Amino acid sequence: EVQLVESGGVLAEPGGSLRLSCAASGFTFSDHYMDWVRQAPGKGLEWVARVRNRARSYTTDYAASVKGRFTISRDDPENLLHLQMNTLRTEDTAVYYCARVQTGTYDLDVWGQGTTVTVSS
Amino acid sequence: DIQMTQSPSSLSASVGDRVTITCRASQGIVGSLAWFQQKPGKAPKSLIYGASSLQSGVPSRFSGSGSGTEFTLTISSLQPEDFATYYCQQYRSIPITFGQGTRLEIK
Repeated sequence: EVQLVESGGVLAEPGGSLRLSCAASGFTFSDHYMDWVRQAPGKGLEWVARVRNRARSYTTDYAASVKGRFTISRDDPENLLHLQMNTLRTEDTAVYYCARVQTGTYDLDVWGQGTTVTVSS
Repeated sequence: DIQMTQSPSSLSASVGDRVTITCRASQGIVGSLAWFQQKPGKAPKSLIYGASSLQSGVPSRFSGSGSGTEFTLTISSLQPEDFATYYCQQYRSIPITFGQGTRLEIK
């Protein structure tokens, strides 16, 4: 069964740091680009970041709202995706989902259940 | 950035109804359009990709159409489990962007 399981969401203070992880199983993780998408309480979906695969040199892209503060990375041997979140702001409060980018079509076809990040003093 | 605009923002309908949700892109995205269903407290579920291709396991009452800047999601005969929020998403260019969502409620 194809599965993504996020972890690491906690209560953090403004200006703090946090690292989210996403464990992948049931598919060849290393073949796929991977994304993070977030959803603030009661709001819509916001794309956060992408990391490509080895064939594309693990290049990354970020939303303007997180660029320079967040870093997406992957550990292919361990089938793990990470999101390092620095200089947290209250507006980063959200459920964070990892999502698989389908090979060839580039749609986000598989999503994890999400992990909740709350930034508050 | 490509802006995605959904209409309506909310919709009331009855079991058995046919409903259509529209999504417009601020610039052409060819067929790089997906539709997602989200229920409260749950992750989004991919329904349609490539504007009209059904994800595996998605019931055939869901269909998508369109190309360029205008797209539609149609549910041919609403079932009780279809009441949820629906989002369109363009993946033609980075940053990926979503519509604001359409909340489908029971009349």
